[in-house]
Amino acid sequence: GAVVSQHPSWVICKSGTSVKIECRSLDFQATTMFWYRQFPKQSLMLMATSNEGSKATYEQGVEKDKFLINHASLTLSTLTVTSAHPEDSSFYICSAPVGDTQYFGPGTRLTVL
Amino acid sequence: GENVEQHPSTLSVQEGDSAVIKCTYSDSASNYFPWYKQELGKRPQLIIDIRSNVGEKKDQRIAVTLNKTAKHFSLHITETQPEDSAVYFCAASYTGNQFYFGTGTSLTVIP
Repeated sequence: GAVVSQHPSWVICKSGTSVKIECRSLDFQATTMFWYRQFPKQSLMLMATSNEGSKATYEQGVEKDKFLINHASLTLSTLTVTSAHPEDSSFYICSAPVGDTQYFGPGTRLTVL
Repeated sequence: GENVEQHPSTLSVQEGDSAVIKCTYSDSASNYFPWYKQELGKRPQLIIDIRSNVGEKKDQRIAVTLNKTAKHFSLHITETQPEDSAVYFCAASYTGNQFYFGTGTSLTVIP
């Protein structure tokens, strides 16, 4: 099946710094990728849709200047958490569709001190 | 956007018993309904899915039913085993587009 990777798997950063998370489709091309965040014991919340070659579409309530998304190629989307604060600490997961099926990355655990 | 509700939030069953998780959705345009299993700290894994032109689908011990009129769908796990313990998420999607997940059900199968 299709494989999606994420890097890094775990990152700890100081408050005020920016963190970039990469999402790659390894064996297929993805014109669209999705970014989710998941707090402990909670559901996956869709943050934004990443579109190759165009601007991302953000869900209501998600700050686009806070969570910068770039989808520069058919296999790579990046999420940059700018000026991270402790409340941004979460599990960030990307996914890419193949037909109806969404393939998820392994997730990135972000801890902001 | 779509709103997916899921119940119960936690469920404990004895090994061998059945488990049922229910979801409702709001957007009548949604036509694809997958179920995911997520173990702690890991990515969600697709376990079964159903499309809007089908009322029921079964795969060994797992089955999903869909009632489009009522906008609800359910996951049924029979003969539960300890390894079925995990968090289960339902989702609704307009094909190829964003997935909207339910709030999750933490299933514990007691040996």
